[in-house]
Amino acid sequence: DIQMTQSPSSLSASVGDRVTIPCRASQDISHFVAWYQQKPGKIPQLLIYAASTLESGVPSRFSGSGSGTDFTLTISSLQPEDVATYYCQSYNSAPGSFGPGTKVDIK
Amino acid sequence: EVQLVQSGGVAVQPGGSLRLSCVASGFTFNNYAMHWVRQGPGKGLEWVSLISWDGSSTKYADSVKGRFNISRDNNENSLFLQMSSLRPEDTALYYCAKDIRLGGGGFYDYWGQGTLVTVSS
Repeated sequence: DIQMTQSPSSLSASVGDRVTIPCRASQDISHFVAWYQQKPGKIPQLLIYAASTLESGVPSRFSGSGSGTDFTLTISSLQPEDVATYYCQSYNSAPGSFGPGTKVDIK
Repeated sequence: EVQLVQSGGVAVQPGGSLRLSCVASGFTFNNYAMHWVRQGPGKGLEWVSLISWDGSSTKYADSVKGRFNISRDNNENSLFLQMSSLRPEDTALYYCAKDIRLGGGGFYDYWGQGTLVTVSS
């Protein structure tokens, strides 16, 4: 089974900062990575799929990159409404696997 | 508008049973695999179970195998999770989620609102 790791488990940044959130797969999964945002007390929302494709309606300050085993979610200019936990997910084979999440808050 | 509406939360004693439901609307239900994902208190997302578009294929996390059973009724646009031999560690918010593929193995583009299951004596 593929394991997804995310480190750090939490980070703090200032409004307007560029934030990068890494995710690593235990083996090559090509581009089969999705990213979800879960705001406090809310359900998870799909942000990005196929490593870099932005889901419809997601602000353009979010972007994804990477392939193989190393992936990154980037927030180009952190906003207060971006306070959330971000999860990566592999989906190269069913059922897929979630990373443990990175919690982002405002410094 | 796609909607996944889940049944209400419930408390049950250890060893008990429970059936969760998720009613879908706004898309062709029998064209997509469906999943159950859970989130323990203060924890991350844990995949629980998958069912293919026609119910012919199912998968389970090792932590629930032999105790949980996933099913679907495509005539009623409904997904179910029958949970038995419940343990305190099964306490979690349970989400149903829609896969983008027929057989599963895709990402999840829509999620239900969650059903809180509390297992406690």
